[in-house]
This record gives sequence, structure tokens and C-alpha cells, in this order.
Amino acid sequence: AQSVTQLDSHVSVSEGTPVLLRCNYSSSYSPSLFWYVQHPNKGLQLLLKYTSAATLVKGINGFEAEFKKSETSFHLTKPSAHMSDAAEYFCVVNVYNFNKFYFGSGTKLNVKP
Amino acid sequence: SQTIHQWPATLVQPVGSPLSLECTVEGTSNPNLYWYRQAAGRGLQLLFYSVGIGQISSEVPQNLSASRPQDRQFILSSKKLLLSDSGFYLCAWSVPGGSTDTQYFGPGTRLTVL
Repeated sequence: AQSVTQLDSHVSVSEGTPVLLRCNYSSSYSPSLFWYVQHPNKGLQLLLKYTSAATLVKGINGFEAEFKKSETSFHLTKPSAHMSDAAEYFCVVNVYNFNKFYFGSGTKLNVKP
Repeated sequence: SQTIHQWPATLVQPVGSPLSLECTVEGTSNPNLYWYRQAAGRGLQLLFYSVGIGQISSEVPQNLSASRPQDRQFILSSKKLLLSDSGFYLCAWSVPGGSTDTQYFGPGTRLTVL
């Protein structure tokens, strides 16, 4: 069975400090993993994806994530938060050839000035 | 390049009225198509997905239905809306096959049922 757990429903950081959004997955197969960002009343925008190549994946807007198979984790990080990063972030797992994407419950990131 | 459209952007409907939301994709052929609902304070719930014309898989039993009359058109419908149908509806597409599928989302439709 496949599932995704986002460990924090809300994260609050100050502008200029690091961001860590945690994601753990469960998959019976080698997964593809994604992070999406959603600003209020907008669709989801792809930040980055892992597809069995390099375990450290760099995405847009300075975000990156590291795939750790031993820990079944795919945490999203950014060295320095910007006010425009305030949004909701979703971790997603896709299993090869099953045409389904499993979403975490989301983490709302608040960035304080 | 590929683009995905959804309309309307916002909709306010009375309980018991019908619903039709439309999603179209441009710039790709035979995409996988998906309908999600995002209710307030909840994550994304997959409602339907389709791997081809006329092929619809339902994930959650409900009073909604989906149809795919054309390759790049996906329609979400209801005969009688419930209050619980309120939410943000997102359509998405992906390229079928392989382990590098990525979903691309439309801008969404905000549905309020009164």
C-alpha cells in the first residue's frame, strides 16, 4: 500500500531563517516523489520531483529535497525563507504504472517578518 | 507547451441544483486526467481519474459523476448538489506510462453550495 505522511500541519518561521517541511512515505514499489506548493485559491504548482536519479533534488524558488530510502523520507528544505514562500505545501507519491498519486494532508507554511 | 483550463473559476449554486465543471488540456494527446476536491481544512481527495475516452474510475462513492467525451476534455457533474459538495475542485493531467509521471494542475474552481 502507498501513503504519505506530512508530519506538521503548520510550520512558522521568520523571514531569512531555514525552512524544513517533513514528509514520510510508504510504498511497496520504488516511488516517484513530488512536492507541490499551493497559494490561496490557486492550483498546485510543482516545486520538484524525485524519480530515482540523484537523491538530492533541486527545485524552483531555492527549494530542495533529499530522498532517504532508509528513512523513507523526502523532506523539503530551503536555506532562507522569503515572505512569498507562505503557502501550503503538499508531498505526493506516485507508484509506477498505477496512474495514481497519493497526497499528504499538507503543511501550511507561515513566514513572519 | 501544454496548458490546462478549468471553468468556471467560481460558482455559487443552491442545494439541489445541477453542476457541470469543465476541464480541457491543450498541447498533449491521450493524457491521464484527474478530478480532485479540496474541502476547507482538508487535503486533496481524488474523486475520479481517466486513462482514455469514456474510461472513468471513481475513487469515492458520492453524488458526483465524471465523463470524458473527448481525449482532452474532462467534465465533473452532479444532478443534485449537496451542501457537502462545497470546496475547491482541481483538475490535473499527466503523461501516461513510466515512473516519471508528473501531474500538472489547473487553476481550480471554487464551488459554494448554499
